[in-house]
Amino acid sequence: AQSVSQHNHHVILSEAASLELGCNYSYGGTVNLFWYVQYPGQHLQLLLKYFSGDPLVKGIKGFEAEFIKSKFSFNLRKPSVQWSDTAEYFCAVNRGSFQKLVFGTGTRLLVSP
Amino acid sequence: GAGVSQSPSNKVTEKGKDVELRCDPISGHTALYWYRQSLGQGLEFLIYFQGNSAPDKSGLPSDRFSAERTGGSVSTLTIQRTQQEDSAVYLCASSPTSRGLVSYNEQFFGPGTRLTVL
Repeated sequence: AQSVSQHNHHVILSEAASLELGCNYSYGGTVNLFWYVQYPGQHLQLLLKYFSGDPLVKGIKGFEAEFIKSKFSFNLRKPSVQWSDTAEYFCAVNRGSFQKLVFGTGTRLLVSP
Repeated sequence: GAGVSQSPSNKVTEKGKDVELRCDPISGHTALYWYRQSLGQGLEFLIYFQGNSAPDKSGLPSDRFSAERTGGSVSTLTIQRTQQEDSAVYLCASSPTSRGLVSYNEQFFGPGTRLTVL
């Protein structure tokens, strides 16, 4: 079965530190890849997505992610985090011909001022 | 409205009662999804509606769960004979997808309904 792994469950950083959150998926065919963010008290919002083309995708709020097909990975990065980035981050995958999203377990990021 | 809306925002019920959760998708979106977010299980797909096609019910955890989508718009998720393990946040999402372009559209999520079964 298709699965998504996020290895970091909790991450604590100071402001201005660099961030990298890991995401690996198990499906070997064509996939679409997403990172969603859930700020405290708010609903899920899309940070960025990859469908095809340039494997380095840029999203909102300075986030980017790199799709490495050989590693089945789609890691999220930000060079300098802010306190306002405190949130839970979810990696998600769907197959080319299906719409349902398979989510990772999420990573809770706490950025201390 | 501009986004996906869900009602109620919170629902507390007693074990064994039936509950109905409502989702209003973004106007014009043809696809609608239900997910469940619970401690220990993360975000799980429940059911998916796409236009007039038969829904994908592969994620429903038991036959106590059902969903309808009337007129291609509003959807209702019904849980019969609720159990304590049904306690979770139920999320609805919609997408402007269509046949042939299914890979290229994101899902927009609503705020969820927090269900507590006592």
